[in-house]
Amino acid sequence: QLQLQESGPGLVKPSETLSLTCTVSGGSISRNNYYWGWIRQPPGKGLEWIGSMYYSGSTYYNPSLKSRVIISVDTSKNQFSLKLSSVTAADTAVYYCARHAWSSASNEFDIWGQGTMVTVSS
Amino acid sequence: DIQMTQSPSSLSASVGDRVTITCRASQSISSYLNWYQQKPGKAPKLLIYAASSLQSGVPSRFSGSGSGTDFTLTISSLQPEDFATYYCQQSYHTLLFTFGPGTKVDIK
Repeated sequence: QLQLQESGPGLVKPSETLSLTCTVSGGSISRNNYYWGWIRQPPGKGLEWIGSMYYSGSTYYNPSLKSRVIISVDTSKNQFSLKLSSVTAADTAVYYCARHAWSSASNEFDIWGQGTMVTVSS
Repeated sequence: DIQMTQSPSSLSASVGDRVTITCRASQSISSYLNWYQQKPGKAPKLLIYAASSLQSGVPSRFSGSGSGTDFTLTISSLQPEDFATYYCQQSYHTLLFTFGPGTKVDIK
């Protein structure tokens, strides 16, 4: 079955760029009607959507993060990536990648990676 | 922005209890409402999508209802594995998907 796995550094220095990759296995990232998204969760807090993208390259970003976020896809590797620039301690969180099922009737995050903790600290 | 609220923020219940969690949107979101379950240290799991559709593989004791601004998640008979935090999420505003603050269900 489809599985998602996040990877990347667990520690990032303030003002630097956080970079994470999500590897999709058990299915193609190029499947119609599915976007691919990133969601984060600061320690002890709730969930925040970061952004989602389609395999063709169209993207939707959370307006509060839009100036610092880039989500990209590499269909040849069945991966998609997150870059968040100019990070501060407020960006410390567990970062999840997820499949974003999207149709005219509904859209939901139906399959999630296990999450990866990223700490911003010098 | 569409703001999501949940009530209660936490509740204590016993195995076998019927549990109801409420989610309210700051404006009408039709039926674009999803529910997730999250256990400590784990990723959220989709339970209900489009307000009332049960995700494949989710036990039938979970159900969702509502439309517009008011929604409910009901667990008909709470099981030991259901102790978790539950989040609602609106998917109406496609430029900003937002989650509710969560409802923690623990053992009475």
